Amino acid sequence: EAQVTQNPRYLITVTGKKLTVTCSQNMNHEYMSWYRQDPGLGLRQIYYSMNVEVTDKGDVPEGYKVSRKEKRNFPLILESPSPNQTSLYFCASSTPFTGRLVNEQFFGPGTRLTVL
Amino acid sequence: AQTVTQSQPEMSVQEAETVTLSCTYDTSESDYYLFWYKQPPSRQMILVIRQEAYKQQNATENRFSVNFQKAAKSFSLKISDSQLGDAAMYFCAYRRGGYIFGTGTRLKVLA
Repeated sequence: EAQVTQNPRYLITVTGKKLTVTCSQNMNHEYMSWYRQDPGLGLRQIYYSMNVEVTDKGDVPEGYKVSRKEKRNFPLILESPSPNQTSLYFCASSTPFTGRLVNEQFFGPGTRLTVL
Repeated sequence: AQTVTQSQPEMSVQEAETVTLSCTYDTSESDYYLFWYKQPPSRQMILVIRQEAYKQQNATENRFSVNFQKAAKSFSLKISDSQLGDAAMYFCAYRRGGYIFGTGTRLKVLA
């Protein structure tokens, strides 16, 4: 089954304690992305990756790191979490933009993070 | 920079009736994609419908259809014969390279 998996699904942590949210896809997609969802703000892109070893900042990258060492994995790292990073996080993947072939984005189930 | 605007934070519709959710976007590109995603209480993001900008014909998926007005940069979603299971948050999204999402419209379906 084609899917994007994220772990953990729920996480409560304290300020300053480093954490990693894993993301993995089994569709051989080149493009992967992380979003955070906050009430009234929709989904905002944190980081994205066009392929292995190619990552770039989205709209709200401050306080986050990513890496793309393998095509299937795209972990999100919070080196020193703060309460304003309390949010719902989504990982997603898709094929690259090609201009003529519609390519939807497949989403993981989401990770609810609370930073105390 | 591209932007996506959903001006209706919340909408209500009576069961079996029709409702239209609005979305406008700003871009200088001619080739791009537009999507509507549904997010039910489970929080899973579900693709509802997609539209290629180069196609003039409006996309349709069963009870869901769009009104794509490229010149006006408008991409509204029409839900016909609304069902209780349609109650969700709906996000409009634009893609040219990366994805940009609107802030969402919460749809309530009244029995």
